[in-house]
This record gives sequence, C-alpha cells and structure tokens, in this order.
Amino acid sequence: GGIITQTPKFLIGQEGQKLTLKCQQNFNHDTMYWYRQDSGKGLRLIYYSITENDLQKGDLSEGYDASREKKSSFSLTVTSAQKNEMAVFLCASSTEDERLFFGHGTKLSVL
Amino acid sequence: SQWGEENLQALSIQEGEDVTMNCSYKTYTTVVQWYRQKSGKGPALIILIRSNEREKRSGRLRATLDTSSQSSSLSITGTLATDTAVYFCATAGNMGYKLTFGTGTSLLVDP
Repeated sequence: GGIITQTPKFLIGQEGQKLTLKCQQNFNHDTMYWYRQDSGKGLRLIYYSITENDLQKGDLSEGYDASREKKSSFSLTVTSAQKNEMAVFLCASSTEDERLFFGHGTKLSVL
Repeated sequence: SQWGEENLQALSIQEGEDVTMNCSYKTYTTVVQWYRQKSGKGPALIILIRSNEREKRSGRLRATLDTSSQSSSLSITGTLATDTAVYFCATAGNMGYKLTFGTGTSLLVDP
C-alpha cells in the first residue's frame, strides 16, 4: 500500500499573499492531481501532471500555479489569496486505469 | 441525482435500511467510479463500473450503469452508521486523466 501526504493540514493566509501547498505520494504513480472542494460542492480539477515536469491545466487553473519537479511530489501555489476564501485542496495520484487515491486535504482560510 | 451545478443533495435514513443514490452524466465515459468521503478525510474509491458492464457488486454495494441514459446508481444494503459520508460519482472520457466529479450525495445513517 501507499499514502498521499499533504502539508500543511491547515493554512491561514492574508489577502494577496502567495501560498504554497505540498503533496507527496509513495505509490510510484505517474499521474498526480490537485482538486479544489468548496463546502457543499463537488471536486473541481485545478491542475494535473502525467509525469515529472509535466503540467496540464484543469477547469479551475486561473489564479494557481503548479510544479512537478519529482515523480513523488506535486505542489500547488495560490498566486494571490482572495479575501474570505475558504476551501479544501485535495491532492491525488492515480493508477494507470485512473483509480484515484487522495490525501486528507489542506484546508485554506484567507483573512 | 447528482450532477451539474446543483448543491449537494442530502439523505437521512435509519441504520439497517437500504439506500440508492443516482448520478447522471453529460458526456461519453468509459467508466463510472464511486467515491466515499468521510468527514475530514479525502475521498476513497469504493466501486468502479466500466461501460461494458451493467452491474457490479462489492459486499453491500451495488453499482449499475446505463450508458443509453447516461446514468449510474449506487445502492447500499443494510446500511450502518459508519456508512455516513458524502458519496461522489466520477466519470472519465476517452482521453483519460480528467475525471469529472458529480456534486455528491450526503448520506446520514442514524444508529
């Protein structure tokens, strides 16, 4: 078995601040994802990466950057945090037949 | 049913009852995956059904898929309080990688 580790678990930022979320996986999966989950809503894809140094935009990429410098890690940057923004960011990796394994999430609050 | 921009749907039942959740999708998919998300955790895959299957069972779970009506259902028999969670369906097109998640069904099972 493997695990997806997201850090930090909770992130509090100021309006306009650049914030970075990190994700590590030890499944040795090629593909990794970042999803955003808003309260009472589904998951929306921000970025995904099919291999080291690859980046693909999802439906919600505006306002975010991502980086995949190693196969095992995938980071997401909120380029300018929006006041009163509150969401959970979920990282996942997938098998070749697209079964996703998720981390526990990073909960973001912007003051 | 879950899909589109609707808000999260909610169901409340008593332990021991059976429950069925529905999911409609808009575009062709090769697979429907059902995920369960418990409070404070990331989603976890519980059952996967492919486009050439009409029904799939796993323990107390049963998934169906009707490609002609572009709909899937997830049934849980003999529910337990530990089945309390949000359930998401997710679909993937031919290109893979970009799983699209429904808005979710919140299930509360009272002991």
